[in-house]
Amino acid sequence: RKEVEQDPGPFNVPEGATVAFNCTYSNSASQSFFWYRQDCRKEPKLLMSVYSSGNEDGRFTAQLNRASQYISLLIRDSKLSDSATYLCATLTDKLIFGTGTRLQVFP
Amino acid sequence: DVKVTQSSRYLVKRTGEKVFLECVQDMDHENMFWYRQDPGLGLRLIYFSYDVKMKEKGDIPEGYSVSREKKERFSLILESASTNQTSMYLCATNPQGLYGYTFGSGTRLTVV
Repeated sequence: RKEVEQDPGPFNVPEGATVAFNCTYSNSASQSFFWYRQDCRKEPKLLMSVYSSGNEDGRFTAQLNRASQYISLLIRDSKLSDSATYLCATLTDKLIFGTGTRLQVFP
Repeated sequence: DVKVTQSSRYLVKRTGEKVFLECVQDMDHENMFWYRQDPGLGLRLIYFSYDVKMKEKGDIPEGYSVSREKKERFSLILESASTNQTSMYLCATNPQGLYGYTFGSGTRLTVV
């Protein structure tokens, strides 16, 4: 079983839609959690950290459920520019990534 | 902003060649990492370093070595390149603590 698992998608949604991604992790010792965004043929870029109480950054909301060992990312009012692959990651002594969920927003 | 610079964006090498991939960061971070990324397999950790002259094996170290002679520079070495090492190589860094990593722009290596 992979340490961090994500649905690969693709998620195809119209502009303005709300879309949610989930990610499960197996290591209960994971201490920090992150969402990264990766555009085609580019490096991953940190989108947001995920805090226990949940956190929001504009149209993006991240949540952590330690009991069930999953994290989620909600994107509201999707834009064409949100089209990318979203990677979740958990940190113990090193950062472990999921394989990513591809999002395609269409007009 | 942290800047992580990888020396080449694209590289083509022949089977059997020794290949050096360089990574330099400008923020005095202690920790540096080398990943490779392949379709369907995601990011896999090759080697990492928490300090100068220190190195630790990641999940897939076979066929690779690293060097960290200075804090800001972390080099990945392919001792004898093989076609299955064709991949996107990404260097990352973070300070001590539970912080996310900052990545360089990557080196797309093709071994022919």
